[in-house]
Amino acid sequence: GDSVTQMEGPVTLSEEAFLTINCTYTATGYPSLFWYVQYPGEGLQLLLKATKADDKGSNKGFEATYRKETTSFHLEKGSVQVSDSAVYFCALTSNRDDKIIFGKGTRLHILP
Amino acid sequence: DAGVIQSPRHEVTEMGQEVTLRCKPISGHDYLFWYRQTMMRGLELLIYFNNNVPIDDSGMPEDRFSAKMPNASFSTLKIQPSEPRDSAVYFCASTLMTGAYGYTFGSGTRLTVV
Repeated sequence: GDSVTQMEGPVTLSEEAFLTINCTYTATGYPSLFWYVQYPGEGLQLLLKATKADDKGSNKGFEATYRKETTSFHLEKGSVQVSDSAVYFCALTSNRDDKIIFGKGTRLHILP
Repeated sequence: DAGVIQSPRHEVTEMGQEVTLRCKPISGHDYLFWYRQTMMRGLELLIYFNNNVPIDDSGMPEDRFSAKMPNASFSTLKIQPSEPRDSAVYFCASTLMTGAYGYTFGSGTRLTVV
């Protein structure tokens, strides 16, 4: 079945460091891909998305490119801030049903 | 729009008691999802509705759990009787359409069963 695998955390970085959180997926057809962010005590928020191969989603300085050849959707940010500390979820929707499939989440800690 | 609204934000109850969690989706959204989040199991889909009709309840852990959506603006998740292992954060999410739209999540209900 369809699935999402993302790097395990926690990931700890210093402020202004470069961030990469890896995400790969398994799906039939052409899924839509998402990154969600969950700040402490809150629900998940859609951070960015891409709906077809080679699309780049971007928001708040974060970017991710839909790579069909490597079945990947890695999240990147050039200079992280303390306020980026959160849990990040990679996710996909398949063409076959209505559900979003989430990865297990990666906790990110940014040190001042 | 006020977003997806869940109540209560926190619930503490004794084992064996009935618990009812509530959700108001975004107006016009045709899909509503109930999730449970724990440290051990992560984010689990319990059940989802389309146009107020339950479509897939395969994630509901056992008969103690039930969910209803009597109209387009309200859904409940009930646990009866509650057990300590039900302690978790329960999220409701809604979307206009599935596929590329993504979901809008509520802030969740933190349930503690003692």
